[in-house]
Amino acid sequence: EVQLLESGGGLVQTGGSLKLSCAASGFTFSLYAMSWVRQAPGKGLEWVSGISGSGDSTYYADSVKGRFTISRDNSKNRLYLQMNSLRADDTAVYYCAKVAGPRMGRIDYWGQGTLVTVSS
Amino acid sequence: DIQMTQFPSTLSASVGDRVTITCRASQSISSWLAWYQQKPGKAPKLLIYKTSSLQSGVPSRFSGSGSGTEFTLTISSLQPDDFATYYCQHYNSYPWTFGQGTKVEIK
Repeated sequence: EVQLLESGGGLVQTGGSLKLSCAASGFTFSLYAMSWVRQAPGKGLEWVSGISGSGDSTYYADSVKGRFTISRDNSKNRLYLQMNSLRADDTAVYYCAKVAGPRMGRIDYWGQGTLVTVSS
Repeated sequence: DIQMTQFPSTLSASVGDRVTITCRASQSISSWLAWYQQKPGKAPKLLIYKTSSLQSGVPSRFSGSGSGTEFTLTISSLQPDDFATYYCQHYNSYPWTFGQGTKVEIK
């Protein structure tokens, strides 16, 4: 059974940093791309970042480019999102998501999400 | 970047109704479109991928169609469990984008 468990969310001040982690199990982690998707309170879904299965390719939404860094440790079956220079509009539930292919594809599994609140 | 426009934003319907949600891409995405269902406080769930392929375990009352820039999600006979918010998403190229969502409410 595929399981994705996010951690690392919390309250952070404007301009601060936070690192999210996602522990994956139930599939061969290194064979699949992964993504982060966020949802601000009461709003829709926003794709944030993606990384290929091997970790050699990374992708970002314009809204986070230069501030967020996605990475993965295939030896530990973990996905990360380092978030710097956080702003109030980064407040959201952040979902870890498994992609159905090594680089591109639909999101076939989602974690339960971790809440990030950015406040002054 | 490819923009996804989804409509309507809200839909009121009764159990048994046939429901259609439309998603339009700002440029061709071939068939690289997925539909997700989300209930309050829960993670989204994949319903349809590659425009019309039904995800394993999803009831056959859900179907998808379209190509290029215009896509639809149809629920043939709305059930009580289907009242939720639905999102389309393209995965033709990065950056991926989602539609704004359609909330299906009880009439």
